[in-house]
Amino acid sequence: GENVEQHPSTLSVQEGDSAVIKCTYSDSASNYFPWYKQELGKRPQLIIDIRSNVGEKKDQRIAVTLNKTAKHFSLHITETQPEDSAVYFCAASITGGSYIPTFGRGTSLIVHP
Amino acid sequence: DAGVIQSPRHEVTEMGQEVTLRCKPISGHDYLFWYRQTMMRGLELLIYFNNNVPIDDSGMPEDRFSAKMPNASFSTLKIQPSEPRDSAVYFCASSWGKTDTQYFGPGTRLTVL
Repeated sequence: GENVEQHPSTLSVQEGDSAVIKCTYSDSASNYFPWYKQELGKRPQLIIDIRSNVGEKKDQRIAVTLNKTAKHFSLHITETQPEDSAVYFCAASITGGSYIPTFGRGTSLIVHP
Repeated sequence: DAGVIQSPRHEVTEMGQEVTLRCKPISGHDYLFWYRQTMMRGLELLIYFNNNVPIDDSGMPEDRFSAKMPNASFSTLKIQPSEPRDSAVYFCASSWGKTDTQYFGPGTRLTVL
């Protein structure tokens, strides 16, 4: 199966700064990488995903990059705001593959006003 | 669709009591997942079903835990007898395919005294 490592476990930034969360995966066949955001007391929800046929995907202040050679992908949040404070989970899977998505341990992002 | 529905949202019980958590997946989703979330262990997959059939229950911590899915619109996770270390937030999630985006329910916060 897949093994996903996520770093850092905690990230503290000042409002307006950028935040980067990194994940590495073990199975080179993985081709789908979603990111989930879990606000305090809420459920995890998909915020962005990327497939292996592209190297970067953006959605307003959020972007995800993928390096298939190095087997790592990252979540970038620019101009952070207090409402970005949450736990972020990465995951990896093979579309139509034999095992379900593997989640990282999560990163607690704290944005200080 | 109302999304994944879980009940109860909060459960407080005493050690030794039986606890039953309930989940209604999104209609049309073939996969249903049960997760447990704690500060210490993060988000753990307990079991998942495909078309109402349990596929992998290797994450179920011990025999005190059991899960069923009698039909496509209902699943239960039962703990009998419950112990204080079972205190956690339990999430149910569903997806259309094995590796597709998972949609999480609001979770059940379980406290075992």
